[in-house]
Amino acid sequence: EVQLVESGGGLVQPGGSLRLSCAASGFTFTSYSINWVRQAPGKGLEWLSYISSTSSAIYYADSVKGRFTISRDNAKNSLYLQMNNLRDEDTAVYYCARSASYRLDYWGQGTLVTVSS
Amino acid sequence: EIVLTQSPATLSLSPGERATLSCRATQSVSSYLAWYQQKPGRAPRLLIYDASNRATGIPARFSGSGSGTDFTLTISSLEPEDFAVYYCQQRSNWPLTFGGGTKVEIK
Repeated sequence: EVQLVESGGGLVQPGGSLRLSCAASGFTFTSYSINWVRQAPGKGLEWLSYISSTSSAIYYADSVKGRFTISRDNAKNSLYLQMNNLRDEDTAVYYCARSASYRLDYWGQGTLVTVSS
Repeated sequence: EIVLTQSPATLSLSPGERATLSCRATQSVSSYLAWYQQKPGRAPRLLIYDASNRATGIPARFSGSGSGTDFTLTISSLEPEDFAVYYCQQRSNWPLTFGGGTKVEIK
């Protein structure tokens, strides 16, 4: 069974940093690209970042470019999102989602990030 | 950036009725469009990919059509578990983008 489990969310002050993790199981992690997608409270879905299976291709949404960094450790079947200089508008549930030809076929349950003083 | 506009924002229907949801792109995305279902407090679930292909385990009452800039998700006969929010997403160009969603609610 394909599973993606996010962790690392929590309360952080504006300007602070947080590192999210996504642990994958039930599939060959090294064969798939992964994305981060977020959803602000009561709002729609926003794609944030993509990393290819070998980390050779990485893309970001303009809203997080220069502040967020995506990475993966294929030896640990894990994906990460380093988030720096957090803003109030970064408050959201953050999902990792597996890519199959850029469609997001499996999603984690999400982790909540709250940016507030 | 390709903007996806979904309509209507809310669709009020009864179980057994047919639901027709629209997604329009600001430029052609060919057939590179997917549809997702999201229920409250849950992660989105892939329903349709490449405009018309049902994902694994998705019932036949869900169908997708369209190409270029205009796409439709049809639910032929609404089941109680189908009342949810539906999003379209394009994979033609970076950044990947989602539509704003259509909420299908019980009338």
